[in-house]
Amino acid sequence: DTEVTQTPKHLVMGMTNKKSLKCEQHMGHRAMYWYKQKAKKPPELMFVYSYEKLSINESVPSRFSPECPNSSLLNLHLHALQPEDSALYLCASSQVGGSQPQHFGDGTRLSIL
Amino acid sequence: TQLLEQSPQFLSIQEGENLTVYCNSSSVFSSLQWYRQEPGEGPVLLVTVVTGGEVKKLKRLTFQFGDARKDSSLHITAAQPGDTGLYLCAVALNNAGNMLTFGGGTRLMVKP
Repeated sequence: DTEVTQTPKHLVMGMTNKKSLKCEQHMGHRAMYWYKQKAKKPPELMFVYSYEKLSINESVPSRFSPECPNSSLLNLHLHALQPEDSALYLCASSQVGGSQPQHFGDGTRLSIL
Repeated sequence: TQLLEQSPQFLSIQEGENLTVYCNSSSVFSSLQWYRQEPGEGPVLLVTVVTGGEVKKLKRLTFQFGDARKDSSLHITAAQPGDTGLYLCAVALNNAGNMLTFGGGTRLMVKP
């Protein structure tokens, strides 16, 4: 079982819907991440939070809005998504510091109709 | 062009065979990580290599970091169906070490 828990596991939404993806970890990690993974491709970094503050935004469209309410939780708010946003969204966490191993959740598989 | 080029992209072998997967770049890295991702799951870290020429073993898996720290290889001895998955190498793009970029991956299938 993964120590990073993501909910929901699957999500189907229309382009006008608003939904949120959730991620939780209790390993005491102070860095948390969102990645996007298209089919048969590697994960691509979207956002990095360090000590609950957004430190990296990899030029992600504003229809994706991250939030880190506390050191254990990471959300990704979705609004007005496009069909090309359909993908597996992975959350990860790590200790803060050089090249720490990242612990990934099993992802939310998102389909945009 | 990707920063990390992995080869082969796909590999289908019989149980018991040996294989090597490569991760190459023209850039020098302070460290490199290998992950395995099984279907329906997130990537799981296998190893981090730090020193040029370093060799690390994890049961039947042997990881090597190139002397110049530009490339790495993963050798699997006597592959088993449980080794099936996507093998990803990754490096950090920034000094903080938290901007991971992945290679394109090698998709391995081991048939019983």
